[in-house]
Amino acid sequence: SQQGEEDPQALSIQEGENATMNCSYKTSINNLQWYRQNSGRGLVHLILIRSNEREKHSGRLRVTLDTSKKSSSLLITASRAADTASYFCATDARETSGSRLTFGEGTQLTVNP
Amino acid sequence: SAVISQKPSRDICQRGTSLTIQCQVDSQVTMMFWYRQQPGQSLTLIATANQGSEATYESGFVIDKFPISRPNLTFSTLTVSNMSPEDSSIYLCSARDFTYEQYFGPGTRLTVT
Repeated sequence: SQQGEEDPQALSIQEGENATMNCSYKTSINNLQWYRQNSGRGLVHLILIRSNEREKHSGRLRVTLDTSKKSSSLLITASRAADTASYFCATDARETSGSRLTFGEGTQLTVNP
Repeated sequence: SAVISQKPSRDICQRGTSLTIQCQVDSQVTMMFWYRQQPGQSLTLIATANQGSEATYESGFVIDKFPISRPNLTFSTLTVSNMSPEDSSIYLCSARDFTYEQYFGPGTRLTVT
């Protein structure tokens, strides 16, 4: 079953605008990771944020984590047409059965030039 | 970051046959995984490939259908056995490094006719 749920399912913005995608999850986690996937291509790792971290930055990307609300957000600033892709959050849950990443359904981002 | 290669990149197979997918990582990693992704959908974990021992399968996946090997730290194979059209999908190898970041191969696009 899917641990994470992304919101919105689809987002369309103009180049230069900021894009915010949200991820909610159900159980306690060790870390949460965000990925980008261009159509028909593999997954690109964007950022890992650990359960004891609240915010991380990488270039135009900012990820926040609120473990009390079991939610994370990915902000892309000054978006470009090349940012058009599907974005997935994946949670590494604290399970006795072993550590594994579980993916949400993803957000399809379209950046219009 | 780990770079992961898979082969074949795609294949078209007949019903009832088997296909073995190979995965090679360019650096030492702690864990390796196999995922499946239907076009336009999220990723589903098939199993964790354990070095030198039997893989750990997720609910709904069994060893007879998806035998997995991991003879060393950087190489794994997934076999899709006795294929049916329902097995048509993209199969992705994944590996986790010592920082817990998890990377993905480019995928193997399988079509069963």
